[in-house]
Amino acid sequence: EAQVTQNPRYLITVTGKKLTVTCSQNMNHEYMSWYRQDPGLGLRQIYYSMNVEVTDKGDVPEGYKVSRKEKRNFPLILESPSPNQTSLYFCASTGTSDTQYFGPGTRLTVL
Amino acid sequence: AQSVTQLGSHVSVSEGALVLLRCNYSSSVPPYLFWYVQYPNQGLQLLLKYTTGATLVKGINGFEAEFKKSETSFHLTKPSAHMSDAAEYFCAVSVPLDYQLIWGAGTKLIIKP
Repeated sequence: EAQVTQNPRYLITVTGKKLTVTCSQNMNHEYMSWYRQDPGLGLRQIYYSMNVEVTDKGDVPEGYKVSRKEKRNFPLILESPSPNQTSLYFCASTGTSDTQYFGPGTRLTVL
Repeated sequence: AQSVTQLGSHVSVSEGALVLLRCNYSSSVPPYLFWYVQYPNQGLQLLLKYTTGATLVKGINGFEAEFKKSETSFHLTKPSAHMSDAAEYFCAVSVPLDYQLIWGAGTKLIIKP
C-alpha cells in the first residue's frame, strides 16, 4: 500500500530536549515536505526536499532541521524544542501533477 | 505569485442540504488546483484535483468542483450533506510541476442534524 508514515504519533517533551520525528514514504517520490498546522493559521511549510541531499527552507524554518540521506526518509529534528513549537506536524511526499500525500500527523507538546 | 482565499472559516449546513465551499485563487500561469479533506484526528486526504481538460472535476464521497478561469474560482460542492462530511476542507493551488502547494486557511464544515 502506498503510504507516508510518521513516528511518533504523539509526543510530550520538555523544553530543550532534542527530538526527531521520522517520516518515510514508499512511493519513490523525490519531493517531500514538512508542515505544521496550528488553529487559525492553516498549514505552514517548514522545510522541503527536492531530492537526496537537497533541502530548503519553507515559510517557518526557525528552530527546525531536516536531513535527506535516503529518498524514502525525511526526518524532522528539533534540537532545542520550545513551547511555541507545540503543534500538529505533517510530512508529505509529492507525486505526479504536484499531488501531495500526507502522513497521519504527529501531535507534539513541548512543556 | 500564487495565493488562495477560502471564504468562511466555518460553514454550517443541515443534513441533506447543498454543500458549497468557496475557493478563489490567483495565479500568473494556468494552475493546478486541489481540494483536500481532514477528518478529526487524521491527516489530509486528496478529495479531487484539476490539472487540465474537463473543468468539472468529480472526487470522492460525492464531491465535485468546477474550475472557472474567468472567475478564478474552484468551489467545492456536494448536492446532499451527510453527517460524515463534517471535517475541515483545504483548497490549494500550484504552478504546474513546481511541486509547491499554496494553501488556503481551511474551512470547517459543520453538519446540523
